[in-house]
Amino acid sequence: QQQVKQSPQSLIVQKGGISIINCAYENTAFDYFPWYQQFPGKGPALLIAIRPDVSEKKEGRFTISFNKSAKQFSLHIMDSQPGDSATYFCAVLNAGGTSYGKLTFGQGTILTVHP
Amino acid sequence: DAGVTQSPTHLIKTRGQQVTLRCSPKSGHDTVSWYQQALGQGPQFIFQYYEEEERQRGNFPDRFSGHQFPNYSSELNVNALLLGDSALYLCASSWGTGDQPQHFGDGTRLSIL
Repeated sequence: QQQVKQSPQSLIVQKGGISIINCAYENTAFDYFPWYQQFPGKGPALLIAIRPDVSEKKEGRFTISFNKSAKQFSLHIMDSQPGDSATYFCAVLNAGGTSYGKLTFGQGTILTVHP
Repeated sequence: DAGVTQSPTHLIKTRGQQVTLRCSPKSGHDTVSWYQQALGQGPQFIFQYYEEEERQRGNFPDRFSGHQFPNYSSELNVNALLLGDSALYLCASSWGTGDQPQHFGDGTRLSIL
C-alpha cells in the first residue's frame, strides 16, 4: 500500500526557473509534512516542513503549499540554482496515531538544474 | 554542535553473517529511528527507540533488532543477512517522539556478497 505518491520522478529546470514537486497522500490522519533534500553519498537533510493548520509556508527560496481537502502538498523552489540539483523526498507522519514518529516517504524526485 | 553520526560508513558482509551498525544522535536529542534506503528508493522505517525501548516498528522481520543506551546512542543489528539487505541504513534523531523534526546521519552503506 503506497501511502504517499510523489511526482514527477525526475525534473529538469533551467537556472533561475521554478521547480515544482508534488505529493499526494491517502490517510487524513497525517499531520506533519516535511520535505527532505538528499545529495549523493549523504543522508536526507530536512529542508522545510508544514503542519495542516496552515496552507503555505515559505523559507527563503523554498515554499510548501498544502491543500488539506485534496490531500496534496507541493514543494516550490524559486530561482532554482545548479546547487539545488539533488533528490527530493516528501514525507508524512501521524503524530498522534498508532504509527506516531514513523515517517513514510515518497519515491523521490531527481532534480537537475542546468546552468 | 555535532549532528547525527553513524559508523561504519561502509561495510561488506556475506550471506548468513550478522552485522551491527551504530548511531550517535544529535546533541539534545533523545529519540533514535532507523531507516533502510534501497538504491533509487525513499527510506523505509525500521523502528524507533525512546527511553531505551522500541516504541514503533515498521514492516521488517525479527532479524532486525536494535538497542538504545542510556546516553541515547543506538545500535541496529541484522542477523542471517540476505542479499536483499544490501542498502543504505540511515539513523535519524529527534527530541521526543511524535511530530518532532527528525535529522538524519549520512548512513552506513551495507553490501552483501
